[in-house]
Amino acid sequence: GENVEQHPSTLSVQEGDSAVIKCTYSDSASNYFPWYKQELGKRPQLIIDIRSNVGEKKDQRIAVTLNKTAKHFSLHITETQPEDSAVYFCAVLPISNFGNEKLTFGTGTRLTIIP
Amino acid sequence: DTGVSQDPRHKITKRGQNVTFRCDPISEHNRLYWYRQTLGQGPEFLTYFQNEAQLEKSRLLSDRFSAERPKGSFSTLEIQRTEQGDSAMYLCASSFSVVGNTGELFFGEGSRLTVL
Repeated sequence: GENVEQHPSTLSVQEGDSAVIKCTYSDSASNYFPWYKQELGKRPQLIIDIRSNVGEKKDQRIAVTLNKTAKHFSLHITETQPEDSAVYFCAVLPISNFGNEKLTFGTGTRLTIIP
Repeated sequence: DTGVSQDPRHKITKRGQNVTFRCDPISEHNRLYWYRQTLGQGPEFLTYFQNEAQLEKSRLLSDRFSAERPKGSFSTLEIQRTEQGDSAMYLCASSFSVVGNTGELFFGEGSRLTVL
């Protein structure tokens, strides 16, 4: 099955600086790569996703880059703010083929923004 | 609110008892997923449904776990003869997906299980 590794497990960043979280995956057939943000006691919520036909996607202060050859993708948060403090999870989904449509999540990165 | 709802939000039970969780997905969503999350870990896949058909079940899921989605709408997850290791947050998610294009997963707030 798919193996997803996420680094770092914890990250502290000064407010206003950038944060980068990286994930690697094992199944070269994977083609959908979402990132979820989970605040304490809350549900995971999608913040950005990318499909394998693009290399980068940006949404305001958040961007995701994908390197399919190296099988890794990264989340970039610029101009960080205190409300960015949360746990972030990457996830990977293989090419659709009924019977194998589950998202596999990374172990999470706890991001703390220091005011 | 038209989001994914789960019930109960919290359940405390004694070891050996059976528990059942319910998930009501977003109404037009055809796929429904169950995940389990323990402290400090990412959500771990348990099973998923395409309409009423259960398409995949994790090898991690013992025979004590069973899930149903009888009419392709709400789903239940039952754990029989609970063990302390079953203590976790049980997350339900739904999406509208077609072959070749998986839609965004929307998660519920989860059902937290504590087995004493």
